[in-house]
Amino acid sequence: RKEVEQDPGPFNVPEGATVAFNCTYSNSASQSFFWYRQDCRKEPKLLMSVYSSGNEDGRFTAQLNRASQYISLLIRDSKLSDSATYLCVVNDGSGGGADGLTFGKGTHLIIQP
Amino acid sequence: DTAVSQTPKYLVTQMGNDKSIKCEQNLGHDTMYWYKQDSKKFLKIMFSYNNKELIINETVPNRFSPKSPDKAHLNLHINSLELGDSAVYFCASSQWGEAYEQYFGPGTRLTVT
Repeated sequence: RKEVEQDPGPFNVPEGATVAFNCTYSNSASQSFFWYRQDCRKEPKLLMSVYSSGNEDGRFTAQLNRASQYISLLIRDSKLSDSATYLCVVNDGSGGGADGLTFGKGTHLIIQP
Repeated sequence: DTAVSQTPKYLVTQMGNDKSIKCEQNLGHDTMYWYKQDSKKFLKIMFSYNNKELIINETVPNRFSPKSPDKAHLNLHINSLELGDSAVYFCASSQWGEAYEQYFGPGTRLTVT
């Protein structure tokens, strides 16, 4: 069974702090990795793809460790607007991704003023 | 213009009824999906369609049937609704291929009484 595990939180973090989440996946054949963000009562939206070499987008850094089968997301200088649920998404590469797309249950982040 | 739209946004109905949720995307994508997000916020893929063909049908009850009149539309029909069907249903679209971002609609909150 393909699984993606995340700590559900909530993570309560003061504004300006750095926060990191991890996610583990069970299928070693997984090919593509993503972080999505979901605000309360809204649809998920892509935050960033995760590349093997690691990648950065402004205050956000994503890393992939294939050997240990985990993905991380680091948020620096956190803003109040970063409060949301962060979904780890893994695709096992079985074609267009429909079958292989597995979502974690999400990590709830609360940035406190 | 809205990229992925769903109607209705809210749907309240009684057990045993049959209902439909409509989805349209104007992104020119060739693959569309239906997801269910339950009360525990777990997002799980139900169906995907690529070029009007069902690619993967997850183990959902056959009371659920996707219908795609063209590649810009993927509607979800639900027969004999049950209490456990209450959830938020998201439509999404993407280009075929595991590395492509999925764009989600705003969701349809279904409540079965």
